[in-house]
Amino acid sequence: DIVMTQSPDSLAVSLGERATINCKSSQSILDSSNNKNYLSWYQHKPGQPPKLLLYWASTRVSGVPDRFSGSGSATDFTLTISSLQAEDVAVYSCQQYYSTPYTFGQGTKLEIK
Amino acid sequence: QVQLVQSGAEVKKPGASVKVSCKASGYTFTIYHLHWVREAPGQGLEWMGWINPKTGGANYAQKFQGRVRMSGDTSTSTAYMDLSRLTSDDTAVYYCVREASLVDTGKNSYFDYWGQGTLVTVSS
Repeated sequence: DIVMTQSPDSLAVSLGERATINCKSSQSILDSSNNKNYLSWYQHKPGQPPKLLLYWASTRVSGVPDRFSGSGSATDFTLTISSLQAEDVAVYSCQQYYSTPYTFGQGTKLEIK
Repeated sequence: QVQLVQSGAEVKKPGASVKVSCKASGYTFTIYHLHWVREAPGQGLEWMGWINPKTGGANYAQKFQGRVRMSGDTSTSTAYMDLSRLTSDDTAVYYCVREASLVDTGKNSYFDYWGQGTLVTVSS
């Protein structure tokens, strides 16, 4: 199984400041045949299902603010929120869909400092 | 618009079984895999498996092999997840989730639509 490890487990950032969350996979999730990284990022708020933010590591879902961006390749990935807003308080999780079992990171709790 | 509407909360005793339903609308039910993902209190998201609604074929996470059964009813566009021999560790919110790629492509893809979640509580 591919293990997804996020860091940090929790993060407190001031409004308007940058938030960075890391996600590392235990093996490469880059498919060299199509040059795609099989990684997605979700935002999860209490009482709601997870919301897809990014897929293929860096493709933003329509309607997601452009302050959310994804980067990285193979085994190391980053979710960046360029200017934190109050509504961004949530748990963020990465997921690999390169192979089953599809696995998630443990989640990073983002709070306002 | 695509919607996945799940059945309501359940309370079960240890050793019992639970069946959660997921009614799909807004798209052709048979052409996308449906997955089940759960989130236990204080835990991260956990993938349980998927079903191909077209063929009825399923792929389960090893952890749940022998204890889970995923099925689908094409006449009602409804998927089901049966979990047996419940323990307190199975207390969680269970989600049905659509995978973005068509089943016929054989390609893995991200999860684009989620059901609202079903809370299953296992308690004596």
